[in-house]
Amino acid sequence: DQQVKQNSPSLSVQEGRISILNCDYTNSMFDYFLWYKKYPAEGPTFLISISSIKDKNEDGRFTVFLNKSAKHLSLHIVPSQPGDSAVYFCAASETGRRALTFGSGTRLQVQP
Amino acid sequence: DGGITQSPKYLFRKEGQNVTLSCEQNLNHDAMYWYRQDPGQGLRLIYYSQIVNDFQKGDIAEGYSVSREKKESFPLTVTSAQKNPTAFYLCACSGSSYNEQFFGPGTRLTVL
Repeated sequence: DQQVKQNSPSLSVQEGRISILNCDYTNSMFDYFLWYKKYPAEGPTFLISISSIKDKNEDGRFTVFLNKSAKHLSLHIVPSQPGDSAVYFCAASETGRRALTFGSGTRLQVQP
Repeated sequence: DGGITQSPKYLFRKEGQNVTLSCEQNLNHDAMYWYRQDPGQGLRLIYYSQIVNDFQKGDIAEGYSVSREKKESFPLTVTSAQKNPTAFYLCACSGSSYNEQFFGPGTRLTVL
């Protein structure tokens, strides 16, 4: 049973436009959420995170929104650049358990 | 340079053989993790260790074993009992901000 779900396996956007990647979770004990970016044959790299006490966190072109009542979070990338093309993983953790639970990933393709 | 390394990058083994994947970090992080990634899936937790000489099973520990004799090292052994060992294996570590994990470059294991 997947506790973190990324229902869109792929997304294609034009350079300069907004990319919106979505993530849903079912475990109400999750209190910290992260986004990782992954290129083929490499390990994921941390992108941005958000605590459950917030509903928005921004870092440059990247913004993560959290809707706790809907158990939904999203990553916005504005403006999108070709170098953003990668697989994006949503991950979640709960207090007391150090390991992360990952979604299945969304492949983002930014067209020049 | 501080970081986390995995070796080798590609590994081939015959069915029925045990194989050990290396993971080393010099970030002085207490916690270390092993994940497995299969095509079209997210990262699934195999084992994790919060301190030296201690480790816990993750979601898919069957057929795997680990040791944590040193803070810097967390080797993973894929045993012959693992029914489908061909996958991309990722090692990670985390420090005081345990939610943020740093990943190694991964080892692609192919069992022939």
